[in-house]
Amino acid sequence: GAVVSQHPSWVICKSGTSVKIECRSLDFQATTMFWYRQFPKQSLMLMATSNEGSKATYEQGVEKDKFLINHASLTLSTLTVTSAHPEDSSFYICSARGLAGRYSDTQYFGPGTRLTVL
Amino acid sequence: DQQVKQNSPSLSVQEGRISILNCDYTNSMFDYFLWYKKYPAEGPTFLISISSIKDKNEDGRFTVFLNKSAKHLSLHIVPSQPGDSAVYFCAASALGSSNTGKLIFGQGTTLQVKP
Repeated sequence: GAVVSQHPSWVICKSGTSVKIECRSLDFQATTMFWYRQFPKQSLMLMATSNEGSKATYEQGVEKDKFLINHASLTLSTLTVTSAHPEDSSFYICSARGLAGRYSDTQYFGPGTRLTVL
Repeated sequence: DQQVKQNSPSLSVQEGRISILNCDYTNSMFDYFLWYKKYPAEGPTFLISISSIKDKNEDGRFTVFLNKSAKHLSLHIVPSQPGDSAVYFCAASALGSSNTGKLIFGQGTTLQVKP
């Protein structure tokens, strides 16, 4: 149980284009999903918290207009990196927390998406 | 301000021996702590957690100890196996206050278990 998938697992794009990353909870309903970013040999930095049906809450320093988050259902959240630049190249990881009960007090992570912007 | 700190970037132990990974935190509002294991280019995998009402939680080879007065927790792995080699992240959350479930992660400790 508690499987979270991400798609794509890696993506290479040209500077100036937009990239969408999907995060799905496969076997549980996730009221809250989180988006993290990890630079090489560094910790996971929380970018934003999204709750189903409402606007995401962004961490300080994260540009809302650049990193668009949509949490349209209890099993899907998307992160769109708009007008990507080389400095946006990173490993993006999502996590999901369940509605109640078994999956409600722990975040379960997806496998991550490696974004490379040329 | 690093609220969760893992001061040892790396640890090397012999197979069969005990691995002890340490974590310190500064925010007294944290009441739930977790350990995650991570391989390169993969997402973290949940290992074990502990609530602040406990001082110990055990699951198989993994035991987490919490010392609230010292704001310190540790993960013990015994016996260590080569497959345990990975990066271990400590994370903390303040579940009891404006519960967003937000996790604050430490910097990670790379564990190498030598055969």
